[in-house]
Amino acid sequence: AQSVTQLDSQVPVFEEAPVELRCNYSSSVSVYLFWYVQYPNQGLQLLLKYLSGSTLVKGINGFEAEFNKSQTSFHLRKPSVHISDTAEYFCAVMPTGGGNKLTFGTGTQLKVEL
Amino acid sequence: DTGVSQDPRHKITKRGQNVTFRCDPISEHNRLYWYRQTLGQGPEFLTYFQNEAQLEKSRLLSDRFSAERPKGSFSTLEIQRTEQGDSAMYLCASSWGQETQYFGPGTRLLVL
Repeated sequence: AQSVTQLDSQVPVFEEAPVELRCNYSSSVSVYLFWYVQYPNQGLQLLLKYLSGSTLVKGINGFEAEFNKSQTSFHLRKPSVHISDTAEYFCAVMPTGGGNKLTFGTGTQLKVEL
Repeated sequence: DTGVSQDPRHKITKRGQNVTFRCDPISEHNRLYWYRQTLGQGPEFLTYFQNEAQLEKSRLLSDRFSAERPKGSFSTLEIQRTEQGDSAMYLCASSWGQETQYFGPGTRLLVL
């Protein structure tokens, strides 16, 4: 079984400041890792994913994440946030060996303030 | 390029009533997933189909829940004898094989 921990339920940040949203996971098998974003009353949109290769992954809207296998982490970063980045962010994992379901964390609400 | 669509977007029902939701996946995708998201939580897997075959069901999917994908295209999720605890956002996603899952806008259910 897999589990995902997003320790920060809310992260307030000023516009143009950098931000890091933390994600740690637990799994007995190898996993793929994902970050999704959810705007109010909408479904989830994929920000980025790690399948293999370089541990630094770049996604849409200027976000990037780094996979750290030894620390079982996949933290999301953006060097300069915008008001439009205000949303809920979910980290998720999926087993590489034929598993099909995504296991999500509880989410981090990013609130960008002027 | 049309994405995943879900209907209705919102549903209010009284306890004990039956409800049915529909999901239309991206046309070339062979896999379709249902997730449930309650307030303040991440989505939780309910079930998934490969073409018309339902291949996995979560323990969360009680006997009151049934999902179908009769022709391997759209899918329906029915909840019988709804309970207040069924109030949630029901999300549908589709993918080609084990590739990225693309999510629809969700159906928000409120059981009074």
